[in-house]
Amino acid sequence: GDSVTQMEGPVTLSEEAFLTINCTYTATGYPSLFWYVQYPGEGLQLLLKATKADDKGSNKGFEATYRKETTSFHLEKGSVQVSDSAVYFCALFHGESGAGSYQLTFGKGTKLSVIP
Amino acid sequence: EAQVTQNPRYLITVTGKKLTVTCSQNMNHEYMSWYRQDPGLGLRQIYYSMNVEVTDKGDVPEGYKVSRKEKRNFPLILESPSPNQTSLYFCASSLLAGADTQYFGPGTRLTVL
Repeated sequence: GDSVTQMEGPVTLSEEAFLTINCTYTATGYPSLFWYVQYPGEGLQLLLKATKADDKGSNKGFEATYRKETTSFHLEKGSVQVSDSAVYFCALFHGESGAGSYQLTFGKGTKLSVIP
Repeated sequence: EAQVTQNPRYLITVTGKKLTVTCSQNMNHEYMSWYRQDPGLGLRQIYYSMNVEVTDKGDVPEGYKVSRKEKRNFPLILESPSPNQTSLYFCASSLLAGADTQYFGPGTRLTVL
């Protein structure tokens, strides 16, 4: 079945450092890929997404490129801020006909702490 | 304001006492789903509903039931809760299944003693 693997955290960075959170996936065909962010005490919200190979999603200074050849969707930000402290989830959607296949599959999440 | 609401936000109960967690969205979304979030396991989908006519199991449906009698509501029912269902639960909705953005509720913290 489909799966998403993220780098394990927690990740602690100083303000203005470069961020990379690795995400690789296993799925047949061409899934859509997402990064969701969860701030403390809140639900998840979409950060960015890409729906086909070589697409780059971007938002709030974060970027991720859909790499079909390496089945990856790594999240990057050039200069993190304290306000970026949160848990980041990589996810994929792979819809096919048949029962149980219209599901969103999440990675386990990576906790990021940014210190001043 | 477009939103997904869940109630209650916090609940402590005892083993075997039936409970329902409500979920409602005001965005006219077709797709709704329930997740549980556990430390070290991330989010796992419990059930999802493509529309009012179609509901299906996710990865961890055991011990849960759902109902989609109308488009805006998607309650999660625990007929006989057990301690291993202690978790943080999220409801989510999207316009359609697929690459649409999922909008999450604020979460329900459930403790089963």
